Amino acid sequence: DVKVTQSSRYLVKRTGEKVFLECVQDMDHENMFWYRQDPGLGLRLIYFSYDVKMKEKGDIPEGYSVSREKKERFSLILESASTNQTSMYLCASSFLQGGTYEQYFGPGTRLTVT
Amino acid sequence: QQQVKQSPQSLIVQKGGISIINCAYENTAFDYFPWYQQFPGKGPALLIAIRPDVSEKKEGRFTISFNKSAKQFSLHIMDSQPGDSATYFCAASRTGTASKLTFGTGTRLQVTL
Repeated sequence: DVKVTQSSRYLVKRTGEKVFLECVQDMDHENMFWYRQDPGLGLRLIYFSYDVKMKEKGDIPEGYSVSREKKERFSLILESASTNQTSMYLCASSFLQGGTYEQYFGPGTRLTVT
Repeated sequence: QQQVKQSPQSLIVQKGGISIINCAYENTAFDYFPWYQQFPGKGPALLIAIRPDVSEKKEGRFTISFNKSAKQFSLHIMDSQPGDSATYFCAASRTGTASKLTFGTGTRLQVTL
């Protein structure tokens, strides 16, 4: 079974703090993704990575950065957390199988910024 | 800019009924259309997916209908069960984008007894 784990299920941080969200996948997948999920807005892509040290901006990258130093690990960084970054953050990984990619998601981290 | 529009936002269906969720897309380059199912406290998981070379795909009680000319696709859940109560997301992607998905806004389905 593919497993995508996220470092925390719940996180509370103060405005202005630097926040690290960690994601690890155990299936040697090439691609990794960070999304945020908000009610009524669905899942919105923040950043994705298709190889070690490679990254691309998604639809809402402002206020976020990422790091992928090892294939299995993809970190999301909030340089200076703000209250509008309170959200559910989902990490996913994928690889090419049978001509298609399936994304496997972690359980999510609910971040509250106060 | 919402490239995949999903409706309804929420849906209540009686046990045994048919649940229908609709999605419409704008980008004609999209060529892969998955549906994801998410239970509370869990991440989304792939339920069923279709490519535009077929108009329908069925897996058990779940069917995707695809209308390429209308740029629409829908999920039908036959004989809906309380265990189907979850949030459903449609999505779309195009070949060569490393599986980058554009998601709809989600539909919260509740199946009542």
